[in-house]
Amino acid sequence: NAGVTQTPKFQVLKTGQSMTLQCAQDMNHEYMSWYRQDPGMGLRLIHYSVGAGITDQGEVPNGYNVSRSTTEDFPLRLLSAAPSQTSVYFCASGPSPDTQYFGPGTRLTVL
Amino acid sequence: RKEVEQDPGPFNVPEGATVAFNCTYSNSASQSFFWYRQDCRKEPKLLMSVYSSGNEDGRFTAQLNRASQYISLLIRDSKLSDSATYLCVVKHSGYALNFGKGTSLLVTP
Repeated sequence: NAGVTQTPKFQVLKTGQSMTLQCAQDMNHEYMSWYRQDPGMGLRLIHYSVGAGITDQGEVPNGYNVSRSTTEDFPLRLLSAAPSQTSVYFCASGPSPDTQYFGPGTRLTVL
Repeated sequence: RKEVEQDPGPFNVPEGATVAFNCTYSNSASQSFFWYRQDCRKEPKLLMSVYSSGNEDGRFTAQLNRASQYISLLIRDSKLSDSATYLCVVKHSGYALNFGKGTSLLVTP
């Protein structure tokens, strides 16, 4: 099992550009989520999904979209990147909300 | 007030020492409690869940005090490899995990 994979590892965007952060898991987990981690802020939940076709907002959803067309994939879309979205993004999956396995992260810089 | 609060440290301890971290949470309806470990520039990894009766995993002991709304983590016989940031995590009902900002531990030779 590869576990939770995220691509790309690093990304630099200009303000206003859009992009998609990819997340995939091969453990057949129903629960998947996206967090961002900023210095001094801790991890904050952006969006989550409890199964294919079902998504919901977390604590900081503005500026991001998600979809869950398959159990394996949970991409995060930045619609129009802003410097405030410079962060480290972690995807996680788990068999239940209490058990989360995190991917290696994507480091995003928005200029 | 932040939902989950931790002393950021850093805690600098020599190898073999015992060190304890505390964490407080604000929502009395919280249901699940965890300690995660995060190495520098890596993803968080679950260290252990925390149960009301307290639980132990090798050199690590976790305690929960619901009345005072705090969680503790005790590390005995510290190893160099224990150097990391320890994240206190609390979950209410539903799905979202609420993370503290973390406590940094450096174990020195």
